Amino acid sequence: GAVVSQHPSWVICKSGTSVKIECRSLDFQATTMFWYRQFPKQSLMLMATSNEGSKATYEQGVEKDKFLINHASLTLSTLTVTSAHPEDSSFYICSARDLMGQGPSSEQFFGPGTRLTVL
Amino acid sequence: QKEVEQDPGPLSVPEGAIVSLNCTYSNSAFQYFMWYRQYSRKGPELLMYTYSSGNKEDGRFTAQVDKSSKYISLFIRDSQPSDSATYLCAMSSSSSGNQFYFGTGTSLTVIP
Repeated sequence: GAVVSQHPSWVICKSGTSVKIECRSLDFQATTMFWYRQFPKQSLMLMATSNEGSKATYEQGVEKDKFLINHASLTLSTLTVTSAHPEDSSFYICSARDLMGQGPSSEQFFGPGTRLTVL
Repeated sequence: QKEVEQDPGPLSVPEGAIVSLNCTYSNSAFQYFMWYRQYSRKGPELLMYTYSSGNKEDGRFTAQVDKSSKYISLFIRDSQPSDSATYLCAMSSSSSGNQFYFGTGTSLTVIP
């Protein structure tokens, strides 16, 4: 099946620093990638939809200046958490939609997630 | 009201038991229904996908959709300790485009 990777898998940083998380589709091209965050024992919350070559679409309540998304190629999207604070500590998961996918279902593949801890 | 409601559990069953996981939803436009399995500290992996109403079986897993009741289920037969994970339901519609609406997930532990 299609594989999506994320790097790093976990990161610890000091408050006020910026952290970049990469999401790659390894064996398929993805016009659309999604970024979610997940708090312990809670569901995935969609943060933004990232389309290759255009600006990301952010969900209500998500600060676009704080969570910078770049989707520069069909296989790579990055999420940068700027000036991170302890409340940004969470599990960040990306997913990618296969370019050839016909429906909004099984063509969306999830990465393994990145655990961010801000001290 | 949330778009998708799912009992978070936790649910604990003995090995070999039949497990029933459920979600309800409010948006009658949902047409695509998915079940994902998520192990601790990992990303979700797709288990089952169903379009519209009906049943779908894959090995020990059966997904059911009842659109009239806005209710979906995932049954796991002969549960194994390796089934211990969090199970997330997700759904979407043509009009929602790529957006999936997730339940909170049900934590399942299968005891050997």
